[in-house]
Amino acid sequence: AQSVAQPEDQVNVAEGNPLTVKCTYSVSGNPYLFWYVQYPNRGLQFLLKYITGDNLVKGSYGFEAEFNKSQTSFHLKKPSALVSDSALYFCAVRPVTSGTYKYIFGTGTRLKVLA
Amino acid sequence: EADIYQTPRYLVIGTGKKITLECSQTMGHDKMYWYQQDPGMELHLIHYSYGVNSTEKGDLSSESTVSRIRTEHFPLTLESARPSHTSQYLCASSGQGNTEAFFGQGTRLTVV
Repeated sequence: AQSVAQPEDQVNVAEGNPLTVKCTYSVSGNPYLFWYVQYPNRGLQFLLKYITGDNLVKGSYGFEAEFNKSQTSFHLKKPSALVSDSALYFCAVRPVTSGTYKYIFGTGTRLKVLA
Repeated sequence: EADIYQTPRYLVIGTGKKITLECSQTMGHDKMYWYQQDPGMELHLIHYSYGVNSTEKGDLSSESTVSRIRTEHFPLTLESARPSHTSQYLCASSGQGNTEAFFGQGTRLTVV
């Protein structure tokens, strides 16, 4: 079965420190990979995506993500965390299969940035 | 900011009532999705559509129904609301050449 794993329910980091939110996936082929952020009582906001090319992709609000094909991982990173980054983060994949356009989401990781 | 709108944002309704949650997008996207999410929890796909007059049930069984009569409109209906339907409902869309999905702000439904 195809799946996305976010092994940490919560990540705590001090403001100014680098942050990493982990994501691994089990999907055949070369899927599209995404990160979204969700603030309380809001929908999901798109942060960044990997389709092909450089393994390090840059996105909104200073976030970046590193794709590792051999480890089937797509970890979200930021060099210096802000308190305002505190939110719920979702990793998602979209299998590249003819006729299928469904997104598979991870269970989410709550990021808490401490002042 | 994505052009996908959900109304109402918040709804409190009594058991047994019929409700329709609205979702509209102005991007001309052919694919639309409904997800159910308990607060702070994972998303569950309940319905999706790849075009007009095309709808499919998602991975999570739901008593709701959907329709796709127009490209831009993908309403979700509950014929008889129950407390177990209390949740947040998120609508999303994606289009040709757009690989990411865009989400609406969500509707938080409470059935009392």
